Amino acid sequence: QVQLVQSGAEVKKPGASVKVSCTASGYMFGSYGISWVRQAPGQGLEWMGWVSAYNGDTHYAHKFQGRVTMTTHTPTTTAYMELRSLRSDETAVYFCARLWVGPTHSPDYWGQGTLVIVSS
Amino acid sequence: QSALTQPASVSGSPGQSITISCTGTSSDVGGYNYVAWYQQHPGRAPKLMIYDVTNRPSGVSNRFSGSKSGNTASLTISGLQAEDEADYYCSSYTSSDTRVFGTGTKVTVL
Repeated sequence: QVQLVQSGAEVKKPGASVKVSCTASGYMFGSYGISWVRQAPGQGLEWMGWVSAYNGDTHYAHKFQGRVTMTTHTPTTTAYMELRSLRSDETAVYFCARLWVGPTHSPDYWGQGTLVIVSS
Repeated sequence: QSALTQPASVSGSPGQSITISCTGTSSDVGGYNYVAWYQQHPGRAPKLMIYDVTNRPSGVSNRFSGSKSGNTASLTISGLQAEDEADYYCSSYTSSDTRVFGTGTKVTVL
């Protein structure tokens, strides 16, 4: 069965960077992409962007451009999302989700989420 | 890209039908048939319930159905059950080649 397992919770200071991993299993990793979505406490879902596991192409939401990097490592079927220059209002649960081909398609299987706390 | 607009809350009694709206613009909901709906229980990851406006993934109950008219998409839950109590989010592809989510709707089963 399709599974996405994310790395554990992180606590970071403002201005620091965080790198979240997402290890996939149960499907052909290279045939899909991985999208990243975050959810602040008590708030809604926010699209951050996606990365193709086929060719590494990325497309980031405008507000994250310049601060986020999404990558994949095919041998370990793992995707990564690094967010730099963290602000305290970016405390949130960060989700990865499988995405076929591109954002016209809906993310279907989701990871369990990684809580990132940004606090001094 | 602004979030799509959903009602904050919708409620219904067991067995009833409810409908959740999702209003966007011609640059997202109205421009493409790429609307999805997600169910999220507290502390859990979202679950895909509807994709491409009307399609249900395998394993999703046929009590869930989707539709779209103009810039507004809708999710209908028929035969409401206690387990349907959750937050629901719509999502649409946009003209910026990205996706946008709705503001979210809390469904309460009375």
